[in-house]
Amino acid sequence: AQSVTQLGSHVSVSEGALVLLRCNYSSSVPPYLFWYVQYPNQGLQLLLKYTSAATLVKGINGFEAEFKKSETSFHLTKPSAHMSDAAEYFCATSTGTASKLTFGTGTRLQVTL
Amino acid sequence: DAGVTQSPTHLIKTRGQHVTLRCSPISGHKSVSWYQQVLGQGPQFIFQYYEKEERGRGNFPDRFSARQFPNYSSELNVNALLLGDSALYLCASSPPAPGPGSYNEQFFGPGTRLTVL
Repeated sequence: AQSVTQLGSHVSVSEGALVLLRCNYSSSVPPYLFWYVQYPNQGLQLLLKYTSAATLVKGINGFEAEFKKSETSFHLTKPSAHMSDAAEYFCATSTGTASKLTFGTGTRLQVTL
Repeated sequence: DAGVTQSPTHLIKTRGQHVTLRCSPISGHKSVSWYQQVLGQGPQFIFQYYEKEERGRGNFPDRFSARQFPNYSSELNVNALLLGDSALYLCASSPPAPGPGSYNEQFFGPGTRLTVL
């Protein structure tokens, strides 16, 4: 079964610093991979997705992620953190075009002054 | 355009009661999925419906059921509520896939926060 593992349940960075949120996947077939963001008391918003096209995926709000098959990773990065980036981030995977999403346990990003 | 809407936003029930949660998908979307998000965890897949037929079911007991109506809205029903059913219940809708092998993104609603006392 496909799964994703997010390393680090909490990450704290200073405003303006690099954001790196880690996600590793486990899959026997090429996966679809996603990063979602969840602000307090809200639903999930898609940041970016990998669907076997370009390995470097650019998303909204300045985030990007790189699919590395050799490392089975799909880490999320942003060059410069902003206070508004403070939220919960979820990595997710799917097997096909219309199948369920399997989520990681989430990483809470804190941005400090 | 309106996004996915869910009602109610909050709900408090006691153990043993029944609850119905409702979801309206984005106009033109024919697929609806339900997820349970327990505090501190990632969402867990419960059901997926497409064109009023169940297309997928997660590892949840039979107390959980759902249906999709002709207008593509959906209901999630939970019987004999347990304390552990307290969670944020998320609904997501998807448009038809643009072509073979393409991915149809899931758009999430704000969720219904269920508290079981």
